[in-house]
Amino acid sequence: DAKTTQPTSMDCAEGRAANLPCNHSTISGNEYVYWYRQIHSQGPQYIIHGLKNNETNEMASLIITEDRKSSTLILPHATLRDTAVYYCIVRVVGTGKLIFGQGTTLQVKP
Amino acid sequence: EAQVTQNPRYLITVTGKKLTVTCSQNMNHEYMSWYRQDPGLGLRQIYYSMNVEVTDKGDVPEGYKVSRKEKRNFPLILESPSPNQTSLYFCASSLLGTGVLETQYFGPGTRLLVL
Repeated sequence: DAKTTQPTSMDCAEGRAANLPCNHSTISGNEYVYWYRQIHSQGPQYIIHGLKNNETNEMASLIITEDRKSSTLILPHATLRDTAVYYCIVRVVGTGKLIFGQGTTLQVKP
Repeated sequence: EAQVTQNPRYLITVTGKKLTVTCSQNMNHEYMSWYRQDPGLGLRQIYYSMNVEVTDKGDVPEGYKVSRKEKRNFPLILESPSPNQTSLYFCASSLLGTGVLETQYFGPGTRLLVL
């Protein structure tokens, strides 16, 4: 199964861009990468997903390397409310099995 | 309102006493899944279901059972709970697009303590 690796924690200054990396070196060619975040112990919230091309929505941008072995979630202007645990997830091809990374705790500081 | 509901939200029980945590969604989603969350281990998938009568194991299925008799419901059953199943449990659902799992909607979570 694919495996994802994320840094345990990161800090970011309020108003600056937060760049959260994820390594998924064993990803298969048709497996999507998903990002979710979790604030306190609430249910995780969807952020963005992608396959090969970079993606952008109102919350964030997702940059996937050409070899697809890693990706970066970018929060362009982090706010204090973006303080959360961010999960990088890969779906095992052909199944509904999801492999979660350990999550990165992002602390946005004033 | 589109939502995923779980019941109960909090449960304290004793070792070996069978329990069921219910999960229901009102969005006509094909896909449903159960996760547990433990400190330092993040979220781990227990079981998932791609459609009615179709269930499969996630990463940590031992000690759990599920069923999917109706599209909207996906109960999690602990036949003989043990203290190592003390955890925060989340149910989620989503549409199944072509090749992609669409946005998952998560329930509010169920905190289980097994004594």
